[in-house]
Amino acid sequence: DAKTTQPTSMDCAEGRAANLPCNHSTISGNEYVYWYRQIHSQGPQYIIHGLKNNETNEMASLIITEDRKSSTLILPHATLRDTAVYYCIRGDSSYKLIFGSGTRLLVRP
Amino acid sequence: GAVVSQHPSRVICKSGTSVKIECRSLDFQATTMFWYRQFPKQSLMLMATSNEGSKATYEQGVEKDKFLINHASLTLSTLTVTSAHPEDSSFYICSASESDNTQYFGPGTRLTVL
Repeated sequence: DAKTTQPTSMDCAEGRAANLPCNHSTISGNEYVYWYRQIHSQGPQYIIHGLKNNETNEMASLIITEDRKSSTLILPHATLRDTAVYYCIRGDSSYKLIFGSGTRLLVRP
Repeated sequence: GAVVSQHPSRVICKSGTSVKIECRSLDFQATTMFWYRQFPKQSLMLMATSNEGSKATYEQGVEKDKFLINHASLTLSTLTVTSAHPEDSSFYICSASESDNTQYFGPGTRLTVL
C-alpha cells in the first residue's frame, strides 16, 4: 500500500511550471514526504523531500500544506528532459520506500 | 555526490543458472541498502532491506533462498538470483541510504532469463 494518491498523468508546456499534486491524508507526524522521478529504463532519481516546511533545491520546490495531508512538487521551468514518472512517497521510521503508480508527466515542446 | 552504481547493467542467462548483481555506493558509506524489482509497465516493488554485517530482511512473498543478499561492507551489497527462471526476468534496482536516510538509486540491472 503506497498510501499516497497521485494523478495518473499530466502534461505541461516546455518552459512553464509543472505542478504535481500528491495526497497523503493519513500521513503521521514523523513521516517525511519524498519525491523521486524515473525516466524510462533508468533507476529513480531523488528530487526532494520534506517534513513540515516548504523546501527548495536546484531541481524543484516542495510545498506541503499546513495539515500535511497533501503536497505539491513544482518544477519551475519544465524542459523536455523532465518527462518522466514522478513518485510521491511517504518515508516512515523504517526508511522503506513503498512506491505507488506515480504521475506520468509529459512535457510538450 | 550520492552516486550508486550497479553491475552488470544487462545480463542474459540460461534457465537454471545463477546471476549475481553488485550494488556499490561510490562516494558515501551506506549502512542500509535496498533491493527492488520492476516488471514492465509496473512500479518498483521492494524486495528486501540489507544492513551491513547482518542478515537481510525480506518483504512478504520474496523467497530468501532464491534471492540471496550479502552486504559485506558499507559500500557493497550483492543480490544473487539462484536457479533463475524466465519469470525472474525483470529490472532489478538497488538503492543506498545516506546518513540522513535519503535513498539514492542505482541505474538498474536488466535480467533476461532464457
